[in-house]
Amino acid sequence: NAGVTQTPKFQVLKTGQSMTLQCAQDMNHEYMSWYRQDPGMGLRLIHYSVGAGITDQGEVPNGYNVSRSTTEDFPLRLLSAAPSQTSVYFCASSLAGSSSGANVLTFGAGSRLTVL
Amino acid sequence: AQKITQTQPGMFVQEKEAVTLDCTYDTSDQSYGLFWYKQPSSGEMIFLIYQGSYDEQNATEGRYSLNFQKARKSANLVISASQLGDSAMYFCAMREGREAGNNRKLIWGLGTSLAVNP
Repeated sequence: NAGVTQTPKFQVLKTGQSMTLQCAQDMNHEYMSWYRQDPGMGLRLIHYSVGAGITDQGEVPNGYNVSRSTTEDFPLRLLSAAPSQTSVYFCASSLAGSSSGANVLTFGAGSRLTVL
Repeated sequence: AQKITQTQPGMFVQEKEAVTLDCTYDTSDQSYGLFWYKQPSSGEMIFLIYQGSYDEQNATEGRYSLNFQKARKSANLVISASQLGDSAMYFCAMREGREAGNNRKLIWGLGTSLAVNP
């Protein structure tokens, strides 16, 4: 059982380049989300999805695009990378519903992105 | 204003002793959830414990317990019998509102770095 898989783990980009961070989960989770983690800022929500075909913006969506064509995959696209997007990115997922266990977010291992 | 406040940037504890990591929160919702996650130096985020606002008993998970004081709006994490492997960053997080409707958006504190000394 792989859980939440993020690729790549490390990436270096030049300003203006585009790229996609991949996220896949095999737990049949309806909810998926992307966070970025920066020193002194904690984790901030970028985008999230409550099911295939449904996405919404989080706290810091500018410069990022997402889509959810399947339940399993939730890629994060950087349209034109900027140095301010240098960060560690986490994908997280959870079940729907209101049981206590459904609240818990399962995180991927993280992707460290550097934009020069 | 910060909604989740972790006032201890760094903490030290002796192996086998108990340690309390502080978390205070601010919300006007009656229904909310509080979480603690651990982030070791390897970087992954590991769920530790959850407390719902209507839960009457403090949550416990093995060596972890959550000291929930609703009137004070605090949700402190207590780690008993600390181990060297407990050295990590610890994050407190809050979900405002009910979990219905796939509400999973969390607000995070800035974390507390815990070092366990042998």
